Order: sequence, then C-alpha cells, then structure tokens
Amino acid sequence: NAGVTQTPKFQVLKTGQSMTLQCAQDMNHNSMYWYRQDPGMGLRLIYYSASEGTTDKGEVPNGYNVSRLNKREFSLRLESAAPSQTSVYFCASGGKWEQYFGPGTRLTVT
Amino acid sequence: GENVEQHPSTLSVQEGDSAVIKCTYSDSASNYFPWYKQELGKRPQLIIDIRSNVGEKKDQRIAVTLNKTAKHFSLHITETQPEDSAVYFCAAPPNRDDKIIFGKGTRLHILP
Repeated sequence: NAGVTQTPKFQVLKTGQSMTLQCAQDMNHNSMYWYRQDPGMGLRLIYYSASEGTTDKGEVPNGYNVSRLNKREFSLRLESAAPSQTSVYFCASGGKWEQYFGPGTRLTVT
Repeated sequence: GENVEQHPSTLSVQEGDSAVIKCTYSDSASNYFPWYKQELGKRPQLIIDIRSNVGEKKDQRIAVTLNKTAKHFSLHITETQPEDSAVYFCAAPPNRDDKIIFGKGTRLHILP
C-alpha cells in the first residue's frame, strides 16, 4: 500500500500561472483533505471532501478550487497563483478519528 | 465552531527530562483527541490518541491525559531523547463534522 501520494513534490510558479496538485489514496477512505502549512506555522484546512461527490470549504479556501474525481483522488487547483500562496501543501485522507498525510508539495510563487 | 488552543508554542528541555504540552478545546461534544508529530521536512504522523471514555493512555514514553470537565488534554513525554525534537500538534474534531481542528503546534527542542 502506498498510502497517500501527492504530485508534484516541488513546483515553482510565476504570479498568475495556474496549476493542479494531485492527491491519491489507496486506503479506501471516504474523507480527504487539503491543508497548507506556511513556514513555522500550523496546518490550515483549505478544503475537504467527506465523500465522493461532496466538497466543503475549510478555513482558507480563497484562491483555490478542488475536485473529488472519485473515491481515490482529490485535486487542488490554483487558478491564478499569488506569492501569498507560497507554502507546503499536504493532502490527507481518513477522517476525524485519524488522518494520514501525504509527503507534501512545496510550492513557491514568484 | 471548535477552537483548539495549544501551549507552549516552543519548549526546550534537557535530554532525559520530561516535556508536557497542553491543549484546550471549546466543543464539549468533542470525543476524540489525537496528537501528531512532525519532524523537520516530513509529514505529520499520528503518535497517540485518546477517546473521551478514558482519562489517560500510555504508549512507552508518551502518554496523553484528558480532563473533559476542564476541556483540556495534554501530551507527556518522559525520558526525552534527541529524536523527540519535532513539532507536535494536538487536534480535536467538532462532533457534527468530519474534519478536525489542529492546534498551532509546539516546537520541542531536546537539548544535549
């Protein structure tokens, strides 16, 4: 089992560019999550999906969109990247009882 | 909604001493309290959790205690070792939701 996988591991974007971060899990979890973690900071929830076909906003959803493609995959899209979106992005799956995190995507917007 | 406060934000202890990190929560219906450890450059990983029907849980050198009346829970690490240096996050799930709210984290330094 790979657990939770994320691509890419690193990405550099120019302001205004768009990109999609991919996440997949093979643990048959219903719930999936996207967090961002700024340097020296905690985890802030961007969006989550409690089940296939549903998505809900978290604490910091502005500037992001998500798609729950199927039970395994949950993608995060930045339509027009801004320097304030420079961060490490973690995908997680599981639920409120335990969450399993992916390795993270380090995104820099210049 | 649920609010989770974590203290201290930074903690330095001598190797071999004990470390205690405390979290308070606001939703009295919360019934699950996990602790995550994040080593430098790595992903957060669950290290211990407690359900509201018990007051304490131990796993070797780490333990979590829960006081539901006061709405706080604590992580205790005894006989600290260099590999305990990391950021620790507490979390609490709102009862009616499928997401968990993380504390802001405690950076633990183990001094030689």
